[in-house]
Amino acid sequence: DIQMTQSPSSLSASVGDRVTITCQASQDISNYLNWYQQKPGKAPKLLIYDASNLETGVPSRFSGSGSGTDFTFTISSLQPEDIATYYCQQYDNLPPKLTFGGGTKVEIK
Amino acid sequence: EVQLVESGGGLVQPGGSLRLSCAASGFTFSSYWMSWVRQAPGKGLEWVANIKQDGSEKYYVDSVKGRFTISRDNAKNSLYLQMNSLRAEDTAVYYCATDSSGYYYEFDYWGQGTLVTVSS
Repeated sequence: DIQMTQSPSSLSASVGDRVTITCQASQDISNYLNWYQQKPGKAPKLLIYDASNLETGVPSRFSGSGSGTDFTFTISSLQPEDIATYYCQQYDNLPPKLTFGGGTKVEIK
Repeated sequence: EVQLVESGGGLVQPGGSLRLSCAASGFTFSSYWMSWVRQAPGKGLEWVANIKQDGSEKYYVDSVKGRFTISRDNAKNSLYLQMNSLRAEDTAVYYCATDSSGYYYEFDYWGQGTLVTVSS
């Protein structure tokens, strides 16, 4: 099974800072990688699909990049409403299974 | 408006059983893969199982194979998760979720979740 290693597990940054989260797959997953935001007590929200595509309605300060085994999620200018935990998620085709990364909790400094 | 509403959670003893339901509305349920995703208290997300549109294919995370069964009733726009031989480590909020593209690649619609607590 494919393992997803997400780092860091938590970070603290100031409003306006650039924030970067990485996700590494245990084997080549092409661009089969999505990113979610989860706020406390709420269901996750899809932000980025297929590594770099911004979901409709998501602010452009969020972006994703990468392919193969190494992926990056970036918030270009951290806003107070971005305080949340972020997860990467990969999907397999054979068989159709999915795996989430461990999550990154983002806090305001 | 797409809505997914889970129900059936609660407190159950180790070794017991529980059946979760997810009522879907606002989209053509029979056209979409459906999944269950869980989140233990204070922990990360874990995909549990998914089921193809016609129910002909079902897949599970290894930790629930042989204990959990995913099913669906397209006539009732409903998804189910039968959970048997429950363990303390199954304690979690269980979400139903779907991919509006018709595949299983990502989850753009989620329910609000239902809490399952396995404890004596």
